[in-house]
Amino acid sequence: EAGVTQFPSHSVIEKGQTVTLRCDPISGHDNLYWYRRVMGKEIKFLLHFVKESKQDESGMPNNRFLAERTGGTYSTLKVQPAELEDSGVYFCASSQVEGWADEKLFFGSGTQLSVL
Amino acid sequence: AQKVTQAQTEISVVEKEDVTLDCVYETRDTTYYLFWYKQPPSGELVFLIRRNSFDEQNEISGRYSWNFQKSTSSFNFTITASQVVDSAVYFCALSEEGGKLIFGQGTELSVKP
Repeated sequence: EAGVTQFPSHSVIEKGQTVTLRCDPISGHDNLYWYRRVMGKEIKFLLHFVKESKQDESGMPNNRFLAERTGGTYSTLKVQPAELEDSGVYFCASSQVEGWADEKLFFGSGTQLSVL
Repeated sequence: AQKVTQAQTEISVVEKEDVTLDCVYETRDTTYYLFWYKQPPSGELVFLIRRNSFDEQNEISGRYSWNFQKSTSSFNFTITASQVVDSAVYFCALSEEGGKLIFGQGTELSVKP
């Protein structure tokens, strides 16, 4: 069974440019999460989809970040325009059971974003 | 507010040594879950363990063991007879309802031959 896959694995862009990250969750997983780790710091929650609906987007830093999950399958996270502080590793995770955190999250390998 | 603290930023040991990674958490919830994840050089976060707040039994899985102490709000992770393949960043995390995880800053473990 394929795990959570993220594209690209690395992205280097200049400040002001736009970048779109993609996450393909495990097939059948309704829950999809985005997290981010800024260099050396903790991994922080960004948002949570249940199918195509945003369940919780309290962690989104600002309106330069736009997440979508059309059709409830893969998700994209677009940063426009990118700023230096957006650099970090963006992780996607998915799980099957909705509602409680005893469900194990399956994480992807992350996208390393560098904004120069 | 919920918070997870991993005070050790980096640890370096020699192969076969035992090593303990510390994790201290804060929460007002009576029901919660604690997790450990491993991030090897390949980048993905690998699930190691989940423990609910009502189960304080220590757990052992091969060379790995976990010590959950509610009295001190700690969930420490010990690797016995460490190996080079254990080199990774280890994250402790606390759950919130809905699946959202609160992570610590991670401990980078380096096991040298």
